[in-house]
Amino acid sequence: KNEVEQSPQNLTAQEGEFITINCSYSVGISALHWLQQHPGGGIVSLFMLSSGKKKHGRLIATINIQEKHSSLHITASHPRDSAVYICAVLNRDDKIIFGKGTRLHILP
Amino acid sequence: DTGVSQDPRHKITKRGQNVTFRCDPISEHNRLYWYRQTLGQGPEFLTYFQNEAQLEKSRLLSDRFSAERPKGSFSTLEIQRTEQGDSAMYLCASSFGTLKLFFGSGTQLSVL
Repeated sequence: KNEVEQSPQNLTAQEGEFITINCSYSVGISALHWLQQHPGGGIVSLFMLSSGKKKHGRLIATINIQEKHSSLHITASHPRDSAVYICAVLNRDDKIIFGKGTRLHILP
Repeated sequence: DTGVSQDPRHKITKRGQNVTFRCDPISEHNRLYWYRQTLGQGPEFLTYFQNEAQLEKSRLLSDRFSAERPKGSFSTLEIQRTEQGDSAMYLCASSFGTLKLFFGSGTQLSVL
């Protein structure tokens, strides 16, 4: 079992829909990252969380440390949000462990 | 450009050849990470440095892989006697301590 699991693996939705991507982890962490990767492009860090909730534009990230779970939400989704979203945790040894990513496709 | 830069962007090589990649992190960042990503998978940890010290190396890395960060600034990743299974995107990221990560655009390696 991977130490960082994401769901769903693939998600296709219509423009305007509310999107939720989930991340569960099994190790102790000091921080959790949500990353965005466009096809052929580099990786951009969206959020770094150690507790609670963060919001940036239409993106919201939450984390529940007790349940070892985080969610990334996208409100009013748009085709330009189509990308791979990756959850990554920084464990107690300062090593970053990545999930396999969620491939999101927003249809116009 | 003050981001993380990687060179080259693409590398095509024949099996058995040696290749070397370079990563220039953001200047004040003390941590530098190397990852490998294959199609459809999330990045896999290879190794990381704090300043010039290599603190951890993944078991995924065989003895054919070596990384250096001699002056605590840029880093190189060398693969000796490349194999077709080494074909992947090699990503570099940097951070200041445990703060936000910044990624380079990666080096896409194709071993023929």
